[in-house]
Amino acid sequence: KAGVTQTPRYLIKTRGQQVTLSCSPISGHRSVSWYQQTPGQGLQFLFEYFSETQRNKGNFPGRFSGRQFSNSRSEMNVSTLELGDSALYLCASSSQGVANYGYTFGSGTRLTVV
Amino acid sequence: AQSVTQLGSHVSVSEGALVLLRCNYSSSVPPYLFWYVQYPNQGLQLLLKYTSAATLVKGINGFEAEFKKSETSFHLTKPSAHMSDAAEYFCAVSDRGGTGGFKTIFGAGTRLFVKA
Repeated sequence: KAGVTQTPRYLIKTRGQQVTLSCSPISGHRSVSWYQQTPGQGLQFLFEYFSETQRNKGNFPGRFSGRQFSNSRSEMNVSTLELGDSALYLCASSSQGVANYGYTFGSGTRLTVV
Repeated sequence: AQSVTQLGSHVSVSEGALVLLRCNYSSSVPPYLFWYVQYPNQGLQLLLKYTSAATLVKGINGFEAEFKKSETSFHLTKPSAHMSDAAEYFCAVSDRGGTGGFKTIFGAGTRLFVKA
């Protein structure tokens, strides 16, 4: 059974640019969540998608957006990049329904903004 | 609002010694509780989860955690540390988000060092 796949693994962008990160969840998982991980702030929740709908959202500016496709693959986009956006971005998939069974995480995309 | 506090950003133990990583949570409803482990340059891996079925939860790699409602704690233990346990450990609490689904909040993490 394939795990959660995130692409690319590493990315270097310049301030002001925009970036799109991709996540393919475990087959059958309909919930995809995104987290930003930095040494100073730890793991911060960005948003969660379920059946192509954003179901929960964290406290990030509108520059951070996402979407989910009918095959449950998800993308997140960051526009007008700032130096502070440098982080490890983690995607987590889940078979959440009535109960919460926890996440399966991808290996992450390490974004460096210069 | 839910929150998680992990006591000690760094814990150092000798190989073969008891591992104890502390986690206290706050939640307005009976929560789901989790422990995850993260090795360098990797994502997080689920160690164990509490879903109200039993207060003592056993996970992978010999780890276990006990849910104590009166103390709002969910400490992680392992009787005998192994060098391969060196990693960062995250406690997480999850309850229903406002629009359905679950919102999971992570603690700041505890880095475990294992000395030979």
